[in-house]
Amino acid sequence: LAKTTQPISMDSYEGQEVNITCSHNNIATNDYITWYQQFPSQGPRFIIQGYKTKVTNEVASLFIPADRKSSTLSLPRVSLSDTAVYYCLVGDGNTGKLIFGQGTTLQVKP
Amino acid sequence: DSGVTQTPKHLITATGQRVTLRCSPRSGDLSVYWYQQSLDQGLQFLIQYYNGEERAKGNILERFSAQQFPDLHSELNLSSLELGDSALYFCASSERFEAYEQYFGPGTRLTVT
Repeated sequence: LAKTTQPISMDSYEGQEVNITCSHNNIATNDYITWYQQFPSQGPRFIIQGYKTKVTNEVASLFIPADRKSSTLSLPRVSLSDTAVYYCLVGDGNTGKLIFGQGTTLQVKP
Repeated sequence: DSGVTQTPKHLITATGQRVTLRCSPRSGDLSVYWYQQSLDQGLQFLIQYYNGEERAKGNILERFSAQQFPDLHSELNLSSLELGDSALYFCASSERFEAYEQYFGPGTRLTVT
């Protein structure tokens, strides 16, 4: 079964760039890697998805190396409102099960 | 607002009982996913349906079952409830069956006493 590993927590200051890495092995070769943001008592919210190399949208960038054994979510110039839990989501290569990382709690300080 | 609705918002019930959680996906989305979130287990994938058919199964207990109806809404049935089933249950929907961009509902908080 695919296994994911994320840092449990990270601290940052407003205006800094934050990079959160998720390690994942044995993921489905044809599935995208997606990242979600969750605030307390709310459902996760889609941030970005990618298959390989680099993807950028209006809120984040996602870097995926060629071996797809990890992915890094990059949040440019974070603000206090970016304080949340961030999850990676991958598909298991053998079973098709969807697996969320354990989540990284990002605390942004003024 | 993600466009995904879940009812009820809160549910309190006793051990041994059975409950049904309901989910309406975003308009046009064919895929529905169910997840369980608890403090000790994090976000756990339970099951996925695509256009009425079961697509993938996760860590769903035998006491739990789900279905997706012709109008694409979905129900998650939890029976013989135990204290450990207390959790937030999320439904999500997406256009396609691959694990791409999913839109999550607000969740149903289940408390088993």
